[in-house]
Amino acid sequence: TQLLEQSPQFLSIQEGENLTVYCNSSSVFSSLQWYRQEPGEGPVLLVTVVTGGEVKKLKRLTFQFGDARKDSSLHITAAQPGDTGLYLCAGAQIQGAQKLVFGQGTRLTINP
Amino acid sequence: KAGVTQTPRYLIKTRGQQVTLSCSPISGHRSVSWYQQTPGQGLQFLFEYFSETQRNKGNFPGRFSGRQFSNSRSEMNVSTLELGDSALYLCASSFRLAGGGTDTQYFGPGTRLTVL
Repeated sequence: TQLLEQSPQFLSIQEGENLTVYCNSSSVFSSLQWYRQEPGEGPVLLVTVVTGGEVKKLKRLTFQFGDARKDSSLHITAAQPGDTGLYLCAGAQIQGAQKLVFGQGTRLTINP
Repeated sequence: KAGVTQTPRYLIKTRGQQVTLSCSPISGHRSVSWYQQTPGQGLQFLFEYFSETQRNKGNFPGRFSGRQFSNSRSEMNVSTLELGDSALYLCASSFRLAGGGTDTQYFGPGTRLTVL
C-alpha cells in the first residue's frame, strides 16, 4: 500500500509552460519534503513544509502543504529545461523519526 | 563540508551471495538511514541507525541488516541475494534533533547493486 500517491507519474511539457505536481495521502504527516533527483545521483532536498496551509516559494517553485497535513503540491512557473528531473515528495510520519515515506515520483521533462 | 559518501558506487553479484555496502555521513551527523530505490516500488525505508543503535526499521526481510560504528559510519549487509534485490541503495544522514522528530536528510549518490 502506497501511503503517498504522487501524480502525474510522467509529465512532458514545453519550455515556458506552468505545471503542478500533487502528493496525496490519507495519513497525516508531521512534515513533508520535496526532493529532486538527477540520474546517477541521490535525491537533493528542495524544501520542507511543516505547518498545515504553509506555502513556500523557491524562485519559480511554489510548495504548499494542505491544511490537514495530508497532501502537498509543487507548482513550477515558466518551466525551463533545467527543471527536468525526478521530483519526489516524502512524508515524515508523526510516530517515525527519521523515517521518510516517499511517493512514486514525477518524472518531468521540459522540452526546449 | 563533504557530503555523504557511499562505496562502492556499482556492484554486480550473483544470486545467493552476500554484499556489504558502506556509508560515511556528513561530519557531525549521527543519524544514518538506508533506503532502497527500484523502478517498481520507488524509495522504501530500510532502517535508521543513531548512536550505534537501530532506531527504526522498515518492512524488509531479515536478510537485510546493518550496523553503525562509533564514528557514525554505517554498513548495510544483504545476505543470500535474490534477483529482486537489484536496486539503488541510498544512504542519508542527518543531525537528528535531540527531541526526535525528523531533521533534514542529506542523501549520498547511492550504490547501484545488480544481482545476476
